[in-house]
Amino acid sequence: DVQMTQSPSSLSASVGDRVTITCRASQNIAFYLNWYQQKPGDAPNLLIYAASTLQSGVPSRFSGSGSGTDFTLTISSLQPEDFATYYCQESYSTPEMFGQGTRVEI
Amino acid sequence: QITLKESGPTLVKPTQTLTLTCTFSGFSLDTGGVGVGWIRQPPGKALEWLALIYWDDDKRYSTSLKSRLTITKDTSENRVVLTMTNMDPEDTATYYCAHRNSRKVAARFDFWGQGTLVTVSS
Repeated sequence: DVQMTQSPSSLSASVGDRVTITCRASQNIAFYLNWYQQKPGDAPNLLIYAASTLQSGVPSRFSGSGSGTDFTLTISSLQPEDFATYYCQESYSTPEMFGQGTRVEI
Repeated sequence: QITLKESGPTLVKPTQTLTLTCTFSGFSLDTGGVGVGWIRQPPGKALEWLALIYWDDDKRYSTSLKSRLTITKDTSENRVVLTMTNMDPEDTATYYCAHRNSRKVAARFDFWGQGTLVTVSS
């Protein structure tokens, strides 16, 4: 199985901050990488797919980059509604693995 | 508009078999590329991918749970069923089903159900 490692596991930030979350795959997964946001009590919500494509309806302050084994999710200017947990997920292989999550808090 | 909803028991006993149903609308499972997946999340923990079924009956399973899982589809009824045998308290989690758009590089879970909490306890 591909192992997905996110860092950091949690971070503290303020409104307006630029936030970067990284996700590393244990093997080359090309561009088969998705990012989800999850708020407490809610289902995950797709933000970015194919490493860098913004899902329809997602604010442009979210962006993704990377390929192969190293990927990044960036929030250019953190908003109050962005405080949540973020997960990466690879769709390159079976089973499709999720990262352990990054909690973004104040 | 794509919607999915999970249903099933909220409480099961250890060693019992869990059967969960995902009922969906807004898409058809006989459309090329489309699939439905199951993902779970123990309380306070990360997401775990369980299984996925595509329109052509291609089925994929978690390596660690493969022996306990079965995923099936009923295209006419717009339902996908997941069964998990020999339930254990460690299987206590919220179980989600989600729409899969493609099997290719842009494959993603773009629509999710609200989830259903299943507790395993005697």
